[in-house]
Amino acid sequence: SQQGEEDPQALSIQEGENATMNCSYKTSINNLQWYRQNSGRGLVHLILIRSNEREKHSGRLRVTLDTSKKSSSLLITASRAADTASYFCATVGEAGGTSYGKLTFGQGTILTVHP
Amino acid sequence: DTGVSQNPRHKITKRGQNVTFRCDPISEHNRLYWYRQTLGQGPEFLTYFQNEAQLEKSRLLSDRFSAERPKGSFSTLEIQRTEQGDSAMYLCASSGLRQATNEKLFFGSGTQLSVL
Repeated sequence: SQQGEEDPQALSIQEGENATMNCSYKTSINNLQWYRQNSGRGLVHLILIRSNEREKHSGRLRVTLDTSKKSSSLLITASRAADTASYFCATVGEAGGTSYGKLTFGQGTILTVHP
Repeated sequence: DTGVSQNPRHKITKRGQNVTFRCDPISEHNRLYWYRQTLGQGPEFLTYFQNEAQLEKSRLLSDRFSAERPKGSFSTLEIQRTEQGDSAMYLCASSGLRQATNEKLFFGSGTQLSVL
């Protein structure tokens, strides 16, 4: 079963606007990751945030993590048409270790950025 | 191209037939994972290898599914007696030993299976 639930399921914005996607999860985690998937392709890792971190930045991406609420958000600033894709959050269980690659994915948010 | 490679990209088969997919991970990566993704859903973990050892299998992986990674290099995923419910994108991913690469997965483009 999917651990993460993402919100919204679909988001449509204009180029230059910011896009915010939210993810909730159910069990304690070691880390939470965000991936991007272009239609019909594999996933690309965007950013990883550990359970003891609250915020992380990478270029135009900002990720927050609230372990008390078991939720995370991904903010993409100054969006571009090329950002159009599906975005997934994925969690690694608290044990980490050999389970590092056993990710539990959410259902994803489909982002459409109009030029 | 030194990324994860999967073949074939697309496979159409009739119900009851056997199919086999291949994954070539990034060469220095020792861990290899198989995931399955159905339309509108996130990927679901199937199994993973550390070198040639299969360390974990999901309960999703019925006895019709078998995966191998001989010599710890490429991996194959075979589905026997395919069913229409097996139609999905099968994704392979790998991860490395170094701190920079051991926690994030590098995915291939997947094999889209359609069972008629």
